[in-house]
Amino acid sequence: GENVEQHPSTLSVQEGDSAVIKCTYSDSASNYFPWYKQELGKRPQLIIDIRSNVGEKKDQRIAVTLNKTAKHFSLHITETQPEDSAVYFCAARGGSNYKLTFGKGTLLTVNP
Amino acid sequence: GAVVSQHPSRVICKSGTSVKIECRSLDFQATTMFWYRQFPKKSLMLMATSNEGSKATYEQGVEKDKFLINHASLTLSTLTVTSAHPEDSSFYICSGQGPYEQYFGPGTRLTVT
Repeated sequence: GENVEQHPSTLSVQEGDSAVIKCTYSDSASNYFPWYKQELGKRPQLIIDIRSNVGEKKDQRIAVTLNKTAKHFSLHITETQPEDSAVYFCAARGGSNYKLTFGKGTLLTVNP
Repeated sequence: GAVVSQHPSRVICKSGTSVKIECRSLDFQATTMFWYRQFPKKSLMLMATSNEGSKATYEQGVEKDKFLINHASLTLSTLTVTSAHPEDSSFYICSGQGPYEQYFGPGTRLTVT
């Protein structure tokens, strides 16, 4: 089955700096890669996603890049703000069963 | 975006009792729903895939007789934790598969005493 590795597990940045979180996946058939933000005790919220026919996608301060050959994708947050502090999860989905395999998460702390 | 609700949001039960958690898609029909368990500071672990009108597909290591899943309609799936034990205490999250993405419920915090 699919295996998703996520790094780093914790990331601390100063407000205004950029943050980068990286994930790798194992199943070359995976074709959908969402990123979720989860605050303590809350549901995961989709912040951006990318499909395998696209190499990069951007939404304001958030961008995701995908390298299918290397089987890795990354989340980039620019001009970080304290409210960006949360746990971020990457995930991968392939095939027709819609199952998501999640990475282990990255605790992002943005210091004012 | 689409909305998924869960009930209850929190539940405390005694060891040996059963607890039912409901997951509803409020404004879309979810042929497929998923149930996850999340331990503190850990990732979401898929427990089972629930398809409307058919038996759920459980992930390896998840006991189907302990975690009963019913998906009787396109908007409702239920998870029943039978004979609960303290180690079943966790955050249970459901999601409904929409046209393009999964929509997550707010989660249910289960504490077994």
